[in-house]
Amino acid sequence: AQTVTQSQPEMSVQEAETVTLSCTYDTSESDYYLFWYKQPPSRQMILVIRQEAYKQQNATENRFSVNFQKAAKSFSLKISDSQLGDAAMYFCAYRSTGGSQGNLIFGKGTKLSVKP
Amino acid sequence: DAGVIQSPRHEVTEMGQEVTLRCKPISGHDYLFWYRQTMMRGLELLIYFNNNVPIDDSGMPEDRFSAKMPNASFSTLKIQPSEPRDSAVYFCASSSRGVRYGYTFGSGTRLTVV
Repeated sequence: AQTVTQSQPEMSVQEAETVTLSCTYDTSESDYYLFWYKQPPSRQMILVIRQEAYKQQNATENRFSVNFQKAAKSFSLKISDSQLGDAAMYFCAYRSTGGSQGNLIFGKGTKLSVKP
Repeated sequence: DAGVIQSPRHEVTEMGQEVTLRCKPISGHDYLFWYRQTMMRGLELLIYFNNNVPIDDSGMPEDRFSAKMPNASFSTLKIQPSEPRDSAVYFCASSSRGVRYGYTFGSGTRLTVV
């Protein structure tokens, strides 16, 4: 079974600085999708960025980018020019393309604080 | 697109009462998921449907929980009887067929059982 691990329960960053959130996963599959979700205090789950495992190029969405290391099974999220509105829980998630393709498996989350 | 719509947003009930949570997925999405979020266990998949058919309900905690999807635009999650340990945020999410996409989540229902 696949697992997703986020080893940093909490992180803090100064406004306008850069922060990297870590995520590792375990799978025997070669094709899958990885995601980062943001959950602000409003509790709405918001998709931040998506990465296809068959693509070597790292995904980028404005100030958000990932460092995808397939061999190491690592999928970190970098937030550049951090803003107060980035303060939230961030969840890393894995989705199979195989038999359990419906299921999105989440890590425990990292709580990000942004200091003004 | 109104997104995934869940109701109610908050529910407070007494132990032993029946609770029904409702979800309207995004039109055209053929997957629907129910998740539960607690501080201790994080986000747990309870059950998911594909084309209105339950595919995997292995996450449903016990027989007190049941879920239905009578048509493509509506699903319910029922707890009967409810217990204090059922207190959590319950999310509904939907997704299109392509697995390359993540889910679109509803705003969640915060359930408190006293």
